[in-house]
Amino acid sequence: EVQLVESGGGLVKPGGSLRLSCAASGISFNDVWLSWVRQAPGKGLEWVGRVKSRADGGTTDYATPVKGRFTISRDDSKNTLFLQMNSLKSEDTAVYYCATGGSAFDIWGQGTMVTVSS
Amino acid sequence: EIVLTQSPGTLSLSPGERATLSCRASQSVSDNYLAWYQQKPGQAPRFFIYGASNRATGIPDRFSGSGSGTDFTLTISRLEPEDFAVYYCQQYGGSPPYTFGQGTKLEIK
Repeated sequence: EVQLVESGGGLVKPGGSLRLSCAASGISFNDVWLSWVRQAPGKGLEWVGRVKSRADGGTTDYATPVKGRFTISRDDSKNTLFLQMNSLKSEDTAVYYCATGGSAFDIWGQGTMVTVSS
Repeated sequence: EIVLTQSPGTLSLSPGERATLSCRASQSVSDNYLAWYQQKPGQAPRFFIYGASNRATGIPDRFSGSGSGTDFTLTISRLEPEDFAVYYCQQYGGSPPYTFGQGTKLEIK
């Protein structure tokens, strides 16, 4: 069974940093593209960014609101995806989901909540 | 950036009825790369439809997607109690950013 488990969420002050992790099992992690999608409380879904597989270059793409502040990386040896979030703003408050796929998202984790507040 | 507008915002129907959800794009969606997701309260979204009309693994055949260009539809032929949820469309054609609609809430009448 494919499973994605996010962790690392919490409360952080504006301007602070947080690193989210997404541990995967049941998939050939090396071969998949991976994405982060977020959902602010009571709101819709917003694509955050993606990382391609190493075989496809391992490059990243980001949504405009997070470009330059967020960094997506992956550790294929540990089947883990990361989201480093810097210079956090109140509008980054959301549940953050990792998902398989770089454009459409077929398997999702359960999400981890990030709250940016003083 | 392609903006997706879903209608209606809320749809109130009874089990056994037919549901029709609309998703309109601000410009043509490349190769009809349009997906639909279902989300229930407190749960992660679930992948339902891709390529505008292809059901994902395990999705019942009462769900069907159609459309092309800028106008897309998700149809549920006969509503079951478990179908009441929020549905999002998403375009993933060409290069990022990949955008979602604001969602349609399908509620029990």
